[in-house]
Amino acid sequence: DSGVTQTPKHLITATGQRVTLRCSPRSGDLSVYWYQQSLDQGLQFLIQYYNGEERAKGNILERFSAQQFPDLHSELNLSSLELGDSALYFCASSRDRGSYNEQFFGPGTRLTVL
Amino acid sequence: AQSVTQLGSHVSVSEGALVLLRCNYSSSVPPYLFWYVQYPNQGLQLLLKYTTGATLVKGINGFEAEFKKSETSFHLTKPSAHMSDAAEYFCAVRRNTGNQFYFGTGTSLTVIP
Repeated sequence: DSGVTQTPKHLITATGQRVTLRCSPRSGDLSVYWYQQSLDQGLQFLIQYYNGEERAKGNILERFSAQQFPDLHSELNLSSLELGDSALYFCASSRDRGSYNEQFFGPGTRLTVL
Repeated sequence: AQSVTQLGSHVSVSEGALVLLRCNYSSSVPPYLFWYVQYPNQGLQLLLKYTTGATLVKGINGFEAEFKKSETSFHLTKPSAHMSDAAEYFCAVRRNTGNQFYFGTGTSLTVIP
């Protein structure tokens, strides 16, 4: 158990819909990262937040957005969903923003868009 | 720019045989290097990491990796494969002045009884 929690574990929805994925980092971790893992794209970094502020952006679509709240939990919002958005979405956390600390991964949310 | 290349998307070894998973990185400065393992239907778990100091790094489950700056490599090895080692392995790099991790495309390890 990494200490990172993600809800829900599974999510099935239809095209055009909007969903919210939730992540709680390990106690004391200030950074949260979101990744998308699919068979054809592999593990893709989406976005990072540090202590409530956006710190780095990766291959995140404009239809996707994220935020980190004062209690440090984070939400990833996916809107106007397409079939291709079906994937595993991972959240990871690390102690701070600029050190060599590793990232600890949550168990993931499996999103299926029908 | 950072990139990580994992040679061989699928590797099969016999139980008891040497495991060698290859990882090469491109970086203008020595980065921090990581190996993660992902078991089916689970998140990624850290195997080992290199930051500074000794270039041979030992991790969990008998795995180790050696940072070779001249070869820009960080290959993962295990002397004797076990059935429980079957999983997806990811190499990752992080610059010592940045935030972002860059993951390789992963290598799926199959262990044959």
